[in-house]
Amino acid sequence: QKEVEQNSGPLSVPEGAIASLNCTYSDRGSQSFFWYRQYSGKSPELIMSIYSNGDKEDGRFTAQLNKASQYVSLLIRDSQPSDSATYLCAVNSDSGGSNYKLTFGKGTLLTVNP
Amino acid sequence: KAGVTQTPRYLIKTRGQQVTLSCSPISGHRSVSWYQQTPGQGLQFLFEYFSETQRNKGNFPGRFSGRQFSNSRSEMNVSTLELGDSALYLCASSLGGINTGELFFGEGSRLTVL
Repeated sequence: QKEVEQNSGPLSVPEGAIASLNCTYSDRGSQSFFWYRQYSGKSPELIMSIYSNGDKEDGRFTAQLNKASQYVSLLIRDSQPSDSATYLCAVNSDSGGSNYKLTFGKGTLLTVNP
Repeated sequence: KAGVTQTPRYLIKTRGQQVTLSCSPISGHRSVSWYQQTPGQGLQFLFEYFSETQRNKGNFPGRFSGRQFSNSRSEMNVSTLELGDSALYLCASSLGGINTGELFFGEGSRLTVL
């Protein structure tokens, strides 16, 4: 069973629309959650982190976390063509003995059409 | 502030050979973690070094090893290369480690095994 799952997409939205990216995880003990953006041919870059249930907003980005449902999402408002990229969900969990593991989903490809 | 530097950027090896990749983290960062990225499996965590000690480890065979030097630079070694080891190898630098999820990635080393 995959530990972090994302819809691979592609997710296509028109410019100015809201893009909604979803991620589910299997480890109920997971403690922190991250969204990375990866442009084609580039390395991932951190765009959002969230640690507690609810919403966290940063500019046009909002991360939402629901630990009971083991679900984390990323909303991008007023989507721009420059937002076209693969979005990776990453989940951090304690693997025992104060060791941690950071597990990435395979990513959702977002395309914003002008 | 200089970013994360990985060398070499591209390399071609044949089956059975070994390879060493290098990563220089952001100044002041003591954590370096390594990842393998392939189209089929996505981004997979190999291991993390923090202050010269391996602190966390993913689910890769012992052919994959690493070390960290006193200046925080890290090397990753893959012995007895297999075709399936062809991938983009990314290292990430972090101030607090992968448990913070706040990683800064290098551009990667693209390994092709023939």
